[in-house]
Amino acid sequence: KQEVTQIPAALSVPEGENLVLNCSFTDSAIYNLQWFRQDPGKGLTSLLLIQSSQREQTSGRLNASLDKSSGRSTLYIAASQPGDSATYLCAVPGAGSYQLTFGKGTKLSVIP
Amino acid sequence: DGGITQSPKYLFRKEGQNVTLSCEQNLNHDAMYWYRQDPGQGLRLIYYSQIVNDFQKGDIAEGYSVSREKKESFPLTVTSAQKNPTAFYLCASSMRLAGGAGATDTQYFGPGTRLTVL
Repeated sequence: KQEVTQIPAALSVPEGENLVLNCSFTDSAIYNLQWFRQDPGKGLTSLLLIQSSQREQTSGRLNASLDKSSGRSTLYIAASQPGDSATYLCAVPGAGSYQLTFGKGTKLSVIP
Repeated sequence: DGGITQSPKYLFRKEGQNVTLSCEQNLNHDAMYWYRQDPGQGLRLIYYSQIVNDFQKGDIAEGYSVSREKKESFPLTVTSAQKNPTAFYLCASSMRLAGGAGATDTQYFGPGTRLTVL
């Protein structure tokens, strides 16, 4: 069964810092990996989707990388802003399954 | 605007009652999903549907039921058999089932319904 771990569980940084969020998964036979953002009490917003054949995907100040062989993905946020404060979740398909398995998320606080 | 709507935003249920959560999408997506989110836990899949009149159980389907009579609608009923229904419920959709061979589809989420048992 696929398991997804996100470290750290919470992170607090001053505005303007670059930061990295980590996601690891146990079964490397995945088709893709998605990063989502969730604001308190809200639904999820998709940030980036990386195909298994890709190593990186970029959107604005966000860059996600994927290393299937090691079962890891990172989300890099450049020049962080207070508006980036949210919980960030990664999700991968389960082994041989259509179901997505989510990590518990990293709660990011960017301090002005 | 295209998107997913969920109603109500807040729902209160008495012990022994069944309640139905609404989910509607106008994205013309085939696949729809229901997740449950508890504090400190990741999202867990309750049910998913690949196409009209077809749906499959997820990891935690016990005490829940769904229907998919229309492409745009995927209501979730929380029955009295669900022992601990207090949670945040999220509906999502994608063009196709996420995670399948060659699938590139992002899941789009609704704003959620917070269910509380009194």
